[in-house]
This record gives sequence, structure tokens and C-alpha cells, in this order.
Amino acid sequence: DTGVSQDPRHKITKRGQNVTFRCDPISEHNRLYWYRQTLGQGPEFLTYFQNEAQLEKSRLLSDRFSAERPKGSFSTLEIQRTEQGDSAMYLCASRPGTYNEQFFGPGTRLTVL
Amino acid sequence: AQTVTQSQPEMSVQEAETVTLSCTYDTSESDYYLFWYKQPPSRQMILVIRQEAYKQQNATENRFSVNFQKAAKSFSLKISDSQLGDAAMYFCAYRRINNAGNMLTFGGGTRLMVKP
Repeated sequence: DTGVSQDPRHKITKRGQNVTFRCDPISEHNRLYWYRQTLGQGPEFLTYFQNEAQLEKSRLLSDRFSAERPKGSFSTLEIQRTEQGDSAMYLCASRPGTYNEQFFGPGTRLTVL
Repeated sequence: AQTVTQSQPEMSVQEAETVTLSCTYDTSESDYYLFWYKQPPSRQMILVIRQEAYKQQNATENRFSVNFQKAAKSFSLKISDSQLGDAAMYFCAYRRINNAGNMLTFGGGTRLMVKP
């Protein structure tokens, strides 16, 4: 399968714990996006990478959130001191530089107890 | 800021019939892209159809077509000959053209149910 992959698919954690998600984009896609989708809502943009550079961050991305994309390949999204309000589906998408369509991964569903 | 509104939380259609999903958006830009994405249950989001605002002709992809009304800022999706596999959440999305990040702004979604 050469699509966008995300790991884990599901994560259950207790409030206050740290969690980290991984996204592997489609090979040679230099743009990578993170979105958050709460139940019954559309995805909301969190952050964007072009290669290894994080070029945009949403105001939704509080100080407890950090994202990286070392070497411009896979990306990680870390949430520190999780809160119940962080419970959501975290979606990753990628695209090549010359194409408009974003290709989405299956998402990581986070449940904070 | 751009906003996208889908006023129909749920829609239902009989198999083989036609259904139209509504979307309105607000922007001060003159050039932009509009998209419809499909999100099947527990599966990843896929692009259904795309429309460039500078094109007057409505986009069509097989059974899927759009009615793009730029002045009214309306972008509806018509699904013809509905199939059971069309059952999913449908999201309307907007993207500015002169936006280096190309991030999408999504509506709240419409759940489409297809009755056999």
C-alpha cells in the first residue's frame, strides 16, 4: 500500500499523559499536513510542513502540541499533558508540490479518559 | 477568515435515485478551489470532485457533478444513480489559490444514507 499511513490507529490514554502519533506520507510528497477532527465535525487544520520546515501553525495548536518532520519524511505529532478536550481523530495528509489534491491517511483516534 | 457551511447534517436517498448536498462558503478572495471529500465509515477521506473558481463550467466526475454558483457562493454536489457504496460523510472544503500552505477549510459535513 503506497498511501499515507498513520500509527497508531487508536490510542487511549489517561488525562495528563503524553502521546505521540506518527504519519508516513506518500513517498516524494514534500507537503505534509495535520488536521484534527472532533466527532460530528469537519477536519480543522493544525499545522503544515514543506519538507522539514514547519511553515504554518493554527491557533488550535496550543503549547502542549508539537510537531516535527525530521529529514522531510515522516512526521510526528506529540501532545503533552493530554486533556479530555484533546479527544479527537488526528488526520495526516500529504501532497506533492505541483498537485492540488491532498491525500489523507486513515487517522489516529485519540481518547483521553 | 474563510468559512464553509453545510446546512444538512443528514441526507437520505433511495438507491438509484439522485441526491444533492448543499454547501455555502464565505470568502473575500476571487480565485480559489472548492472540493468535495468523501469519508466512508472507518475509512480514510478521499477526493470526490474539485472545482476551480475561475472556471465557469461545472466539474463532473462520472456520477458526481457540482453546481457552482460563484456570486451566491454556493457549491452543491449532485450524486446521480446513488449506490450503497456512496453512503458516507461528505465534506465540502475551500482552499485559497495564493496560499502557500494550501490548507483546506472544511464544512461540518453531511451524512449520506443510501436506502436499498
